[in-house]
Amino acid sequence: AQTVTQSQPEMSVQEAETVTLSCTYDTSESNYYLFWYKQPPSRQMILVIRQEAYKQQNATENRFSVNFQKAAKSFSLKISDSQLGDTAMYFCASATYNNNDMRFGAGTRLTVKP
Amino acid sequence: GAVVSQHPSWVICKSGTSVKIECRSLDFQATTMFWYRQFPKQSLMLMATSNEGSKATYEQGVEKDKFLINHASLTLSTLTVTSAHPEDSSFYICSAQSHSGNTIYFGEGSWLTVV
Repeated sequence: AQTVTQSQPEMSVQEAETVTLSCTYDTSESNYYLFWYKQPPSRQMILVIRQEAYKQQNATENRFSVNFQKAAKSFSLKISDSQLGDTAMYFCASATYNNNDMRFGAGTRLTVKP
Repeated sequence: GAVVSQHPSWVICKSGTSVKIECRSLDFQATTMFWYRQFPKQSLMLMATSNEGSKATYEQGVEKDKFLINHASLTLSTLTVTSAHPEDSSFYICSAQSHSGNTIYFGEGSWLTVV
């Protein structure tokens, strides 16, 4: 079984600044994936970044990077140079290695202020 | 890139009727599709996993007879909400796993309102 916990219901950041969203997880799997998804008001789920648990190197996608602490089961998302378009709900998720059984955290509503 | 399409995007139905939502993978074969439900300001809750040609696997607490899932082909899964009630009103999202299994793609979601 997998559980994902996001303890920050809402966060805000000034445009161009950096913000970190927290996520912890629990899983009995030895191999698994971790994800951050963005859900704007359109409700479309947009993949922000993906981390394979067996890779020690933190994943990075342009302004988005993660801090993956496997022993602590922590998977935080750092957004650098925040833009107004980053305003959205952000969901942390975990999935088994074959991508089945993807589970989501409760989400963090991020607001980027001009 | 890969696209998963859901139809309809919005549907309003009368209480007691049934409504079908389609999830199609447009440019890849999806051996597995997933159905989620999302209440306002809440997270996505997995309802069921459907594999092409076999019965869906439902999560605990999800009524199989109420939420009928069919995955008749490698590109189409359907969710039928039977005898809909106002409490079934929600946002339903599907996702599809590519045949290679490496990536999950989400549909645009479908708003269901039961009046």
